[in-house]
Amino acid sequence: NAGVMQNPRHLVRRRGQEARLRCSPMKGHSHVYWYRQLPEEGLKFMVYLQKENIIDESGMPKERFSAEFPKEGPSILRIQQVVRGDSAAYFCASSPPSGSRNEQFFGPGTRLTVL
Amino acid sequence: KQEVTQIPAALSVPEGENLVLNCSFTDSAIYNLQWFRQDPGKGLTSLLLIQSSQREQTSGRLNASLDKSSGRSTLYIAASQPGDSATYLCAVEYGNKLVFGAGTILRVKS
Repeated sequence: NAGVMQNPRHLVRRRGQEARLRCSPMKGHSHVYWYRQLPEEGLKFMVYLQKENIIDESGMPKERFSAEFPKEGPSILRIQQVVRGDSAAYFCASSPPSGSRNEQFFGPGTRLTVL
Repeated sequence: KQEVTQIPAALSVPEGENLVLNCSFTDSAIYNLQWFRQDPGKGLTSLLLIQSSQREQTSGRLNASLDKSSGRSTLYIAASQPGDSATYLCAVEYGNKLVFGAGTILRVKS
């Protein structure tokens, strides 16, 4: 049973370009979460999605950031017109369907560098 | 405001020592608490999850306790080994999200 998969592992973009980060949850998991770890800072929640629905986006910056989790395929975190301050490690986590509170399992992260 | 604090920020111990990492949280209305390990440049590995109704969880040399009323959790590592060197993160679940502490950087010297 493969764990949470994220790609790419490393992404370099120039200011103004778009970054697309992908996350495939663990098999059987229908909940996806995105977190950001800025240099020298702790992990911060960004968004929580279920299939085709954004449940909680209270941690998402108001502009340039969007997330989706389509019926088929991976979850995508999209950052438009990247700036240097977007350089960070972006982690995706997944958990099983609701019913009881369950662990979140994390992927290896995508390290975004904006030049 | 939901905040998670970890003490100490860094810890260096000789191999074989037992040690305790501390985590405190301001809002006691938690669903569960997770301890993670993060190696440099890597992702997070879940070590232990304690449900809000539980008092402790054990896995091998690790034991985590939870005192919800006082807003505290401890991670006890027995007989530490150099391979335990990593950053240990405490995360508290509130609703749909985990709120993380800043971590404790542990170095076990051989």
